Amino acid sequence: EAEVAQSPRYKITEKSQAVAFWCDPISGHATLYWYRQILGQGPELLVQFQDESVVDDSQLPKDRFSAERLKGVDSTLKIQPAELGDSAMYLCASSPLGQGKTGELFFGEGSRLTVL
Amino acid sequence: RKEVEQDPGPFNVPEGATVAFNCTYSNSASQSFFWYRQDCRKEPKLLMSVYSSGNEDGRFTAQLNRASQYISLLIRDSKLSDSATYLCVVTRFGNEKLTFGTGTRLTIIP
Repeated sequence: EAEVAQSPRYKITEKSQAVAFWCDPISGHATLYWYRQILGQGPELLVQFQDESVVDDSQLPKDRFSAERLKGVDSTLKIQPAELGDSAMYLCASSPLGQGKTGELFFGEGSRLTVL
Repeated sequence: RKEVEQDPGPFNVPEGATVAFNCTYSNSASQSFFWYRQDCRKEPKLLMSVYSSGNEDGRFTAQLNRASQYISLLIRDSKLSDSATYLCVVTRFGNEKLTFGTGTRLTIIP
């Protein structure tokens, strides 16, 4: 079982509804990532935090997606309104500060979103 | 052009065979390279780093060719448990952002 906790594991929603995903990284990990993985593709970075600060959100569709990590620990990713194309696995990952350069990210089991 | 490209496969290989697949990257500023493994419906996990001099971990060998901008993964004496998707990952200098390829799906056949 992954040490990075994510919830919910599965979410089915109708388009135009709001959706939220939660992630609790490994204790002490300064860097937190949200990735989106569409079936048959590799994970795509949406947002990267270092502590509570956003380091990279260049690929985050900001008109509908938002992410926060207010206290530099757990994080929430929100989609409003959800669209059909948002159906994917949303993966949270964490690493100790500087560890990202060594390539080892610790992923949660993911939150699978289906938009109807 | 995608920053990291892989042949999606699938590669269907008999047990005990040797299989190799490559990954190409477009940005010459890419600094670090890794292979991740992702089992069906599971999260990705780091398999191994790829060093300039090449490196080996048991039946797995990873190599980097900076001149041609590709990395490779070789699996010898393949096992049924090697069936998974193998993701190529690169980072840029001074950046902790990991960019993933689309993955290569491998199935080992008994």
